[in-house]
Amino acid sequence: DARVTQTPRHKVTEMGQEVTMRCQPILGHNTVFWYRQTMMQGLELLAYFRNRAPLDDSGMPKDRFSAEMPDATLATLKIQPSEPRDSAVYFCASGLSDRASEAFFGQGTRLTVV
Amino acid sequence: AQSVTQLGSHVSVSEGALVLLRCNYSSSVPPYLFWYVQYPNQGLQLLLKYTSAATLVKGINGFEAEFKKSETSFHLTKPSAHMSDAAEYFCAVSDGGGSNYKLTFGKGTLLTVNP
Repeated sequence: DARVTQTPRHKVTEMGQEVTMRCQPILGHNTVFWYRQTMMQGLELLAYFRNRAPLDDSGMPKDRFSAEMPDATLATLKIQPSEPRDSAVYFCASGLSDRASEAFFGQGTRLTVV
Repeated sequence: AQSVTQLGSHVSVSEGALVLLRCNYSSSVPPYLFWYVQYPNQGLQLLLKYTSAATLVKGINGFEAEFKKSETSFHLTKPSAHMSDAAEYFCAVSDGGGSNYKLTFGKGTLLTVNP
């Protein structure tokens, strides 16, 4: 059945290393959302794409985070260099409209930076 | 600016008992309100939504929520808890307008169901 696929599911990396998280949206979906979930901050929107174009990435720390959609079947979130405070679960969600509530979530990438 | 407050980070009920998860919101415009459920190691799944139609909203798995403007509340209820309801629940708000791609989430309430 159709689902949003995120890889890797878990990632442990050392501080200063580059981390790339990948998301395969549901086929045919044209909107992609990246969220970060932490105990302290809860769920935060990092970036929003429509038709592969970034429409809002105001939630992302610009100095170290970047998000792209090289093609319609792949969204990436990159952190370089990573820091311990980046430890979180990162979720990707995809949808057919701008309504975030209608998006389907992936299972997340649990990132630990040591 | 919008915000959501979920009262109680952890709620514990017995199987068969009433489930009540509280959510209060703050919004300068008529809000759209949502409840999500997150099972362990899973993404969020939409339970139900209020988008300015009926104030009592029914969702999946027997859950419902009532929008009360006078109390700025959108509490989630289920008459009889089942073991499979154990999960974390998030209330969220959006402005329903041009920024409906932005959801503001509460911190979540972990529901435990005891046998």
